[in-house]
Amino acid sequence: GAGVSQSPSNKVTEKGKDVELRCDPISGHTALYWYRQSLGQGLEFLIYFQGNSAPDKSGLPSDRFSAERTGGSVSTLTIQRTQQEDSAVYLCASSTWTGWAEAFFGQGTRLTVV
Amino acid sequence: AQSVTQLDSQVPVFEEAPVELRCNYSSSVSVYLFWYVQYPNQGLQLLLKYLSGSTLVKGINGFEAEFNKSQTSFHLRKPSVHISDTAEYFCAVSRGATGANNLFFGTGTRLTVIP
Repeated sequence: GAGVSQSPSNKVTEKGKDVELRCDPISGHTALYWYRQSLGQGLEFLIYFQGNSAPDKSGLPSDRFSAERTGGSVSTLTIQRTQQEDSAVYLCASSTWTGWAEAFFGQGTRLTVV
Repeated sequence: AQSVTQLDSQVPVFEEAPVELRCNYSSSVSVYLFWYVQYPNQGLQLLLKYLSGSTLVKGINGFEAEFNKSQTSFHLRKPSVHISDTAEYFCAVSRGATGANNLFFGTGTRLTVIP
Protein backbone atom coordinates (compact mmCIF):
# COMPACT_ATOMS: atom_id res chain seq x y z
CA GLY A 1 0.00 0.00 0.00
CA ALA A 2 0.90 3.64 -0.11
CA GLY A 3 1.58 3.94 3.60
CA VAL A 4 1.81 2.00 6.82
CA SER A 5 -1.58 0.59 7.70
CA GLN A 6 -2.62 -0.38 11.20
CA SER A 7 -5.75 -2.16 12.31
CA PRO A 8 -7.95 -1.80 14.14
CA SER A 9 -7.80 1.97 14.59
CA ASN A 10 -9.55 1.66 17.93
CA LYS A 11 -9.90 -1.29 20.27
CA VAL A 12 -11.75 -1.49 23.54
CA THR A 13 -11.19 -4.65 25.51
CA GLU A 14 -11.96 -5.98 28.94
CA LYS A 15 -9.20 -6.45 31.43
CA GLY A 16 -7.76 -9.94 31.19
CA LYS A 17 -8.57 -10.46 27.52
CA ASP A 18 -5.96 -10.95 24.81
CA VAL A 19 -5.67 -8.52 21.91
CA GLU A 20 -3.91 -8.58 18.56
CA LEU A 21 -2.81 -5.44 16.77
CA ARG A 22 -1.88 -5.59 13.12
CA CYS A 23 0.62 -3.60 11.08
CA ASP A 24 1.01 -3.65 7.31
CA PRO A 25 4.29 -1.89 6.47
CA ILE A 26 5.15 -0.16 3.24
CA SER A 27 6.00 -2.71 0.58
CA GLY A 28 9.72 -3.35 0.40
CA HIS A 29 10.51 -1.91 3.82
CA THR A 30 12.60 -4.40 5.73
CA ALA A 31 12.67 -2.58 9.05
CA LEU A 32 9.57 -2.49 11.22
CA TYR A 33 9.11 -0.86 14.60
CA TRP A 34 6.45 -0.97 17.28
CA TYR A 35 6.12 1.89 19.75
CA ARG A 36 3.67 2.72 22.50
CA GLN A 37 2.52 6.27 23.09
CA SER A 38 0.99 7.04 26.44
CA LEU A 39 -0.01 10.38 27.91
CA GLY A 40 3.07 12.00 29.36
CA GLN A 41 5.28 9.08 28.36
CA GLY A 42 6.25 10.01 24.85
CA LEU A 43 7.15 7.25 22.45
CA GLU A 44 8.19 4.05 24.17
CA PHE A 45 10.10 1.57 22.04
CA LEU A 46 8.68 -1.94 22.13
CA ILE A 47 10.24 -4.10 19.45
CA TYR A 48 12.20 -3.79 16.22
CA PHE A 49 12.39 -6.17 13.26
CA GLN A 50 15.13 -5.89 10.66
CA GLY A 51 15.02 -8.25 7.73
CA ASN A 52 15.80 -11.81 8.73
CA SER A 53 17.75 -10.83 11.83
CA ALA A 54 16.54 -11.73 15.28
CA PRO A 55 14.21 -8.97 16.48
CA ASP A 56 15.25 -6.54 19.17
CA LYS A 57 12.70 -7.24 21.89
CA SER A 58 14.41 -5.23 24.58
CA GLY A 59 11.54 -2.75 24.86
CA LEU A 60 8.74 -5.20 25.56
CA PRO A 61 7.48 -4.29 29.05
CA SER A 62 6.52 -7.79 30.16
CA ASP A 63 6.17 -11.34 28.94
CA ARG A 64 2.51 -10.60 28.22
CA PHE A 65 3.71 -8.73 25.15
CA SER A 66 4.92 -10.50 22.03
CA ALA A 67 5.21 -9.72 18.35
CA GLU A 68 5.89 -11.56 15.18
CA ARG A 69 6.48 -10.65 11.61
CA THR A 70 5.42 -13.16 9.02
CA GLY A 71 7.16 -13.38 5.68
CA GLY A 72 9.09 -10.23 6.39
CA SER A 73 5.99 -8.13 5.92
CA VAL A 74 2.90 -8.00 8.13
CA SER A 75 3.48 -7.81 11.86
CA THR A 76 1.19 -8.64 14.75
CA LEU A 77 1.63 -7.32 18.28
CA THR A 78 -0.13 -9.52 20.84
CA ILE A 79 -0.91 -8.48 24.38
CA GLN A 80 -2.10 -11.27 26.64
CA ARG A 81 -4.19 -10.80 29.77
CA THR A 82 -4.50 -7.07 29.17
CA GLN A 83 -4.23 -4.67 32.09
CA GLN A 84 -5.51 -1.12 32.40
CA GLU A 85 -1.97 0.22 32.22
CA ASP A 86 -1.74 -1.25 28.71
CA SER A 87 -4.14 1.44 27.51
CA ALA A 88 -2.23 3.56 25.00
CA VAL A 89 -1.80 4.27 21.32
CA TYR A 90 0.31 1.59 19.67
CA LEU A 91 2.27 2.89 16.72
CA CYS A 92 3.92 0.92 13.96
CA ALA A 93 6.55 2.29 11.62
CA SER A 94 8.58 0.91 8.75
CA SER A 95 11.66 2.00 6.88
CA THR A 96 14.12 0.77 4.32
CA TRP A 97 16.94 -1.41 5.54
CA THR A 98 18.82 1.15 7.57
CA GLY A 99 17.61 3.01 10.62
CA TRP A 100 18.79 6.30 9.26
CA ALA A 101 16.28 6.20 6.50
CA GLU A 102 13.01 7.93 7.26
CA ALA A 103 10.65 5.84 9.33
CA PHE A 104 7.08 6.11 8.11
CA PHE A 105 4.45 5.80 10.79
CA GLY A 106 0.97 4.40 10.74
CA GLN A 107 -1.94 6.20 12.36
CA GLY A 108 -1.80 3.89 15.33
CA THR A 109 -4.21 1.69 17.23
CA ARG A 110 -5.81 3.24 20.29
CA LEU A 111 -6.20 0.49 22.86
CA THR A 112 -8.47 1.03 25.83
CA VAL A 113 -8.62 -1.60 28.54
CA VAL A 114 -11.69 -1.33 30.73
CA ALA B 1 23.07 2.48 24.67
CA GLN B 2 21.46 5.55 23.18
CA SER B 3 19.11 7.86 24.97
CA VAL B 4 17.39 11.10 24.11
CA THR B 5 16.39 13.87 26.48
CA GLN B 6 13.92 16.58 25.66
CA LEU B 7 14.06 18.87 28.63
CA ASP B 8 10.94 20.86 27.88
CA SER B 9 7.67 18.97 27.92
CA GLN B 10 5.68 22.05 26.93
CA VAL B 11 6.70 25.24 25.16
CA PRO B 12 4.18 28.05 24.69
CA VAL B 13 5.21 30.80 22.29
CA PHE B 14 3.46 33.73 20.68
CA GLU B 15 2.80 33.70 16.95
CA GLU B 16 5.67 35.11 14.85
CA ALA B 17 8.11 34.73 17.74
CA PRO B 18 11.19 32.50 17.46
CA VAL B 19 11.29 29.12 19.14
CA GLU B 20 13.92 26.60 20.14
CA LEU B 21 13.08 23.05 21.20
CA ARG B 22 15.93 21.38 22.99
CA CYS B 23 17.23 17.88 22.46
CA ASN B 24 20.25 16.21 24.01
CA TYR B 25 21.42 12.70 23.38
CA SER B 26 23.86 10.28 24.88
CA SER B 27 25.68 7.66 22.90
CA SER B 28 29.05 6.01 22.90
CA VAL B 29 29.07 5.80 19.13
CA SER B 30 28.25 8.12 16.29
CA VAL B 31 24.58 8.65 15.74
CA TYR B 32 22.06 9.88 13.28
CA LEU B 33 19.55 12.40 14.60
CA PHE B 34 15.98 13.17 13.66
CA TRP B 35 13.10 15.43 14.51
CA TYR B 36 9.57 14.17 13.98
CA VAL B 37 6.37 16.18 14.28
CA GLN B 38 2.93 14.96 15.26
CA TYR B 39 0.10 17.34 14.45
CA PRO B 40 -3.15 16.95 16.41
CA ASN B 41 -4.94 13.73 15.51
CA GLN B 42 -2.31 12.80 12.93
CA GLY B 43 0.58 10.37 12.70
CA LEU B 44 4.23 11.23 13.06
CA GLN B 45 6.11 12.64 10.10
CA LEU B 46 9.75 13.43 9.56
CA LEU B 47 10.68 17.08 9.96
CA LEU B 48 14.42 16.82 9.33
CA LYS B 49 17.42 14.57 9.89
CA TYR B 50 21.15 14.77 10.40
CA LEU B 51 23.26 11.98 8.93
CA SER B 52 26.60 13.62 8.17
CA GLY B 53 28.12 16.71 6.62
CA SER B 54 26.91 20.18 7.46
CA THR B 55 25.87 20.46 11.07
CA LEU B 56 23.03 22.81 10.20
CA VAL B 57 20.12 20.89 8.80
CA LYS B 58 17.09 22.46 7.19
CA GLY B 59 13.74 20.75 7.20
CA ILE B 60 10.19 21.30 6.17
CA ASN B 61 8.00 24.22 7.23
CA GLY B 62 10.94 26.52 7.91
CA PHE B 63 12.44 24.47 10.72
CA GLU B 64 16.14 23.86 11.11
CA ALA B 65 18.33 22.06 13.62
CA GLU B 66 21.99 22.20 14.49
CA PHE B 67 24.06 19.19 15.43
CA ASN B 68 26.58 20.01 18.14
CA LYS B 69 28.80 17.03 18.83
CA SER B 70 30.69 18.58 21.74
CA GLN B 71 27.46 19.38 23.54
CA THR B 72 25.66 16.27 22.26
CA SER B 73 22.73 18.40 21.24
CA PHE B 74 20.41 18.69 18.29
CA HIS B 75 18.15 21.64 19.05
CA LEU B 76 15.29 22.51 16.74
CA ARG B 77 14.67 26.13 15.81
CA LYS B 78 12.31 28.28 13.82
CA PRO B 79 12.74 32.06 13.51
CA SER B 80 9.01 32.82 13.32
CA VAL B 81 6.29 30.37 14.28
CA HIS B 82 2.77 30.09 12.94
CA ILE B 83 -0.41 28.86 14.53
CA SER B 84 -0.16 25.78 12.33
CA ASP B 85 3.10 24.80 14.04
CA THR B 86 1.17 23.81 17.14
CA ALA B 87 2.05 20.14 17.52
CA GLU B 88 4.11 17.60 19.44
CA TYR B 89 7.75 17.41 18.43
CA PHE B 90 9.91 14.35 19.00
CA CYS B 91 13.67 14.11 18.81
CA ALA B 92 15.06 10.69 17.89
CA VAL B 93 18.44 9.03 17.58
CA SER B 94 19.64 6.06 15.58
CA ARG B 95 23.00 4.46 15.99
CA GLY B 96 25.29 5.30 13.11
CA ALA B 97 27.19 2.03 12.95
CA THR B 98 26.17 -0.89 10.84
CA GLY B 99 23.98 -3.52 12.35
CA ALA B 100 20.72 -3.03 14.13
CA ASN B 101 19.77 0.60 13.77
CA ASN B 102 16.90 1.06 16.10
CA LEU B 103 15.25 4.41 16.50
CA PHE B 104 14.93 5.83 20.02
CA PHE B 105 12.68 8.78 20.79
CA GLY B 106 12.60 11.43 23.44
CA THR B 107 9.47 12.06 25.46
CA GLY B 108 8.34 14.88 23.20
CA THR B 109 7.80 18.63 23.46
CA ARG B 110 4.38 20.07 23.00
CA LEU B 111 4.66 23.38 21.15
CA THR B 112 1.65 25.66 21.52
CA VAL B 113 1.57 28.77 19.40
CA ILE B 114 -0.50 31.53 20.96
CA PRO B 115 -2.28 34.00 18.64
